[in-house]
Amino acid sequence: DIVMTQTPLSLSVTPGQPASISCKSSQSLLHSDGKTYLYWYLQKPGQPPQLLIYEVSNRFSGVPDRFSGSGSGTDFTLKISRVEAEDVGVYYCMQSIQLPITFGPGTKVDIK
Amino acid sequence: QVQLVQSGAEVKKPGASVKVSCKASGYTFTSYAMHWVRQAPGQRLEWMGWINAGNGNTKYSQKFQGRVTITRDTSASTAYMELSSLRSEDTAVYYCARGPRARYYMDVWGKGTTVTVSS
Repeated sequence: DIVMTQTPLSLSVTPGQPASISCKSSQSLLHSDGKTYLYWYLQKPGQPPQLLIYEVSNRFSGVPDRFSGSGSGTDFTLKISRVEAEDVGVYYCMQSIQLPITFGPGTKVDIK
Repeated sequence: QVQLVQSGAEVKKPGASVKVSCKASGYTFTSYAMHWVRQAPGQRLEWMGWINAGNGNTKYSQKFQGRVTITRDTSASTAYMELSSLRSEDTAVYYCARGPRARYYMDVWGKGTTVTVSS
């Protein structure tokens, strides 16, 4: 199975300040079709996960543009340009180039 | 709007089976796939398997192979996940989540069903 790791595992951010989360995979997520199958989800307290970013850098419908994703191969980053109070929760990266789909351990983001 | 409504919480004894349902609305059920993902207390999300709601094809995580069965009833726009031979480690919140048939990811999630396994 592909192992996903994330750093940091927790992050405390002042509102209005940027935040960055790193995700690494044990194998390249670049498929022969040219797409990279890396996704980002946010699980707000008491809620199911919600899709933020698909295929590395594409924001899902309704996701604010303060969220951006980047990276390639095995190294990926989620950035929040200006953290807002509603951004608190646990952020997960996920790969789906190979089954089983696997998730990172999550990065808990809270507000200072 | 797209909605996935899951069945209610379950309490089961070790060795029993549980069947969780996920009723979809707001989209054409057979045009998408349905994933099942679980989250044990304090643990990361864990993918269990997937069904193509159009043709019924399934894929399962090897970890659950032999214990999990995912089915669907197209007339009811409902997907089901049955997990057998339950043990305490299966205590978790079980989510259904819609995804495109041609890609393995989830774009809309149900609210989750808590399954507790306890003697």
